[in-house]
Amino acid sequence: DTGVSQDPRHKITKRGQNVTFRCDPISEHNRLYWYRQTLGQGPEFLTYFQNEAQLEKSRLLSDRFSAERPKGSFSTLEIQRTEQGDSAMYLCASSPTWQAGGRRETQYFGPGTRLLVL
Amino acid sequence: ELKVEQNPLFLSMQEGKNYTIYCNYSTTSDRLYWYRQDPGKSLESLFVLLSNGAVKQEGRLMASLDTKARLSTLHITAAVHDLSATYFCAVEGTGNYQLIWGAGTKLIIKP
Repeated sequence: DTGVSQDPRHKITKRGQNVTFRCDPISEHNRLYWYRQTLGQGPEFLTYFQNEAQLEKSRLLSDRFSAERPKGSFSTLEIQRTEQGDSAMYLCASSPTWQAGGRRETQYFGPGTRLLVL
Repeated sequence: ELKVEQNPLFLSMQEGKNYTIYCNYSTTSDRLYWYRQDPGKSLESLFVLLSNGAVKQEGRLMASLDTKARLSTLHITAAVHDLSATYFCAVEGTGNYQLIWGAGTKLIIKP
């Protein structure tokens, strides 16, 4: 297994355009998370899926943002009518529910998609 | 609301020296993570600390957790240049799976 992958790695778009990012988690990880990270800051939680169910959403996730995980495998994050303030690194992470010993595992991060809105 | 504070935010040190990064959080939490991030790269998990008094070590890095004081430390022993990176602590809230992150400590180790 090669870890969490994200596509594209970089995206430049004009203000007002829609963009969609894809995340492929580690196989058999049923939890998937999206974060946003701006320069010089720690990541900010956006949303979380367990299998195909979206269980948590941050209030940072305005109605211009939507995330899906239709078959409980890969996930997409769409931003509609992009604004310059959306420029950031968008990180995806995955984790299994339980590991041996009954403990939840750490979150494994992908390389991120860097978005620049002009 | 859970808040996480790291200090210092920036640290420049010489190779061979020891130093400690501090991570304070504001409310009860189930677990605390330390991650490393190199410039332009993603986040690499270093440690997961699950209980009061937990101590984990990997090479020149050692992390500890005091849940009563709501404090975790990341200690660097005899620093080497390869440890230059930004280090983040993150805390998981009770009853949910959100990670709340500190602002990061940018560590520069000079030869």
